[in-house]
Amino acid sequence: KAGVTQTPRYLIKTRGQQVTLSCSPISGHRSVSWYQQTPGQGLQFLFEYFSETQRNKGNFPGRFSGRQFSNSRSEMNVSTLELGDSALYLCASRGQGSTNEKLFFGSGTQLSVL
Amino acid sequence: GESVGLHLPTLSVQEGDNSIINCAYSNSASDYFIWYKQESGKGPQFIIDIRSNMDKRQGQRVTVLLNKTVKHLSLQIAATQPGDSAVYFCAETDYGGSQGNLIFGKGTKLSVKP
Repeated sequence: KAGVTQTPRYLIKTRGQQVTLSCSPISGHRSVSWYQQTPGQGLQFLFEYFSETQRNKGNFPGRFSGRQFSNSRSEMNVSTLELGDSALYLCASRGQGSTNEKLFFGSGTQLSVL
Repeated sequence: GESVGLHLPTLSVQEGDNSIINCAYSNSASDYFIWYKQESGKGPQFIIDIRSNMDKRQGQRVTVLLNKTVKHLSLQIAATQPGDSAVYFCAETDYGGSQGNLIFGKGTKLSVKP
């Protein structure tokens, strides 16, 4: 079974631009979560989608948004990029229900904002 | 251990020795805990989990201990190998595991000397 796939692997943008990151979950998984990882703040939860609906949201500004498609693939978008948005963005998928809490992570998209 | 800023606590062990990585979690209501391993350039990889109704759980070469009284979690790795070198994160959730938002510790870097 293929793991969680994230594209692109690396991305370089300039301040003020916007960016879209993509995530394909493990086949059969309906929940997709996004995390931001930085050296200073560690891993921080952005949001979770389940069956195309945002189920939970972390403490990030509205510039960070996401969506999920009917095939469970997910995208996250960051608008008006700031230098502090430079980070590794990780996507994770899980099955459904409380018996499947294990999150399986992709390798991430490394975003650099110049 | 937990880190501050850019400097992760580092645990250096000799190959073949046992390793113990500690984590203090923050929320007394947390009822599910996970240890993840992250190698350079990769996303976090699930190692082992434990629910709050247990004190100890064993996997292959790994054991997780949970002390709810002092909100402490530890990961023991037996016969540590060079391939165990990575950053280890503990994570907790307080929603019965049905939500995707894990709260991660800042991580501990394990370095295995051959």
